[in-house]
Amino acid sequence: GQQLNQSPQSMFIQEGEDVSMNCTSSSIFNTWLWYKQDPGEGPVLLIALYKAGELTSNGRLTAQFGITRKDSFLNISASIPSDVGIYFCAGPAGGTSYGKLTFGQGTILTVHP
Amino acid sequence: EAGVVQSPRYKIIEKKQPVAFWCNPISGHNTLYWYRQNLGQGPELLIRYENEEAVDDSQLPKDRFSAERLKGVDSTLKIQPAELGDSAVYLCASSKGLAGEQFFGPGTRLTVL
Repeated sequence: GQQLNQSPQSMFIQEGEDVSMNCTSSSIFNTWLWYKQDPGEGPVLLIALYKAGELTSNGRLTAQFGITRKDSFLNISASIPSDVGIYFCAGPAGGTSYGKLTFGQGTILTVHP
Repeated sequence: EAGVVQSPRYKIIEKKQPVAFWCNPISGHNTLYWYRQNLGQGPELLIRYENEEAVDDSQLPKDRFSAERLKGVDSTLKIQPAELGDSAVYLCASSKGLAGEQFFGPGTRLTVL
């Protein structure tokens, strides 16, 4: 089946630094989603991307839908301690724009005060 | 607006015992999903409901797993008998229709001893 590969697997940064992570796929996705999961909680949607080349911001978060439709990037500017968590990319399977989501394996972010 | 509710939050059982998880979706969300999340991985879809109909259960291990959503609202996921490899977090999500954003519950962490 389709797989999403996230990198890096983990990051250790200082508060105030910018963060960049990405997600790649061997097949085309029509929608890219970025989720954050805190310990003991379910994933929460941060940003949704629906169009190739689209750049979308949500506060200090910016995500881009790659022009090839096989990758996406998430940037966090001026990190703060509450940014700690696991960040997942996800997309609907089978080239659709809805329904069953395929998730990456996650990027673990640690922010040192 | 209340989010997706799941219970119990934690469950510890011995192998070969049965276990059941309950989910109440967000009011008005007709699509309900059950995901399993293994440690260090992203969630993987087990089954998806449109109202009371299971429209995608291809990933559900039907020899031991079963699910129901009798009145098209809340849902129960059952494992009988549980195996050691079933230890994971079981997440429920709901959306307003097939293309809607999926909102996740906090999950049930299952430990099989």
